[in-house]
Amino acid sequence: GAVVSQHPSWVICKSGTSVKIECRSLDFQATTMFWYRQFPKQSLMLMATSNEGSKATYEQGVEKDKFLINHASLTLSTLTVTSAHPEDSSFYICSASRDNSGNTIYFGEGSWLTVV
Amino acid sequence: GENVEQHPSTLSVQEGDSAVIKCTYSDSASNYFPWYKQELGKRPQLIIDIRSNVGEKKDQRIAVTLNKTAKHFSLHITETQPEDSAVYFCAASSKTGRRALTFGSGTRLQVQP
Repeated sequence: GAVVSQHPSWVICKSGTSVKIECRSLDFQATTMFWYRQFPKQSLMLMATSNEGSKATYEQGVEKDKFLINHASLTLSTLTVTSAHPEDSSFYICSASRDNSGNTIYFGEGSWLTVV
Repeated sequence: GENVEQHPSTLSVQEGDSAVIKCTYSDSASNYFPWYKQELGKRPQLIIDIRSNVGEKKDQRIAVTLNKTAKHFSLHITETQPEDSAVYFCAASSKTGRRALTFGSGTRLQVQP
C-alpha cells in the first residue's frame, strides 16, 4: 500500500529554536498533504493543508508565521516550528492522499516534539 | 465547517462482548467516514471505512453503519479481545471544499480479560 514517511520520529529542542519536520510520500505523488497536531489524550486537530506549489491553508487559530509549511515537490512537505516554546510540545503527524478526492488518506509515523 | 462528535469517551467491556461507538457529523457534503485505531504514540491505523453510497460495511469482527439522513455513523466490534484495547477515532471528510479529515474526540476502549 501507499507509504507516507515522516522524519524525525522524535526531537527535543531548546526554547526559541526552530525545528523542521519532513513528510514524504514514498510511492505516490501527493498534491495535497495535511498537518495535524495531537496533544496527549486528545484528538487530532488539523493545523493546515499543504498544497504543492502554492501557499498552505491554515486552520483558524494556527499561526502561519510560527508554523511554516513548504510543499516544494509532489512528494515532500515540511513543517517548521519556529521559535518553539514548551507549549508547542506535541505529537505532529502528517497525512497525504493518493488521489485528488482527498479520500483514502495515509498517515506518516508522527513526530514527537519536546521543547525544553 | 465540519463538526464530528463522538461518544462515549471511554468504554469498558468484558472480553467476548460487543462494543459500539457512535459519531455524528454536521456537514451534509461529507461522503467518507473512516474509523481509526490509535495506540499510544503511534499513527492512527485505518480499521474500516464507509462511503456515503453504502449503508453498512463489515470486515470480520468489525462493522460500520451509516445513516446519511440522521448524519450519524457507528462502529461495531463483536467478540472483543484484549488486543482491541486502544483509542478509536471516527472521522469525516468531503470530496469537495475542505477535504481534510475532521476527527471525533476519541473513545478509549478497554477490553477486560
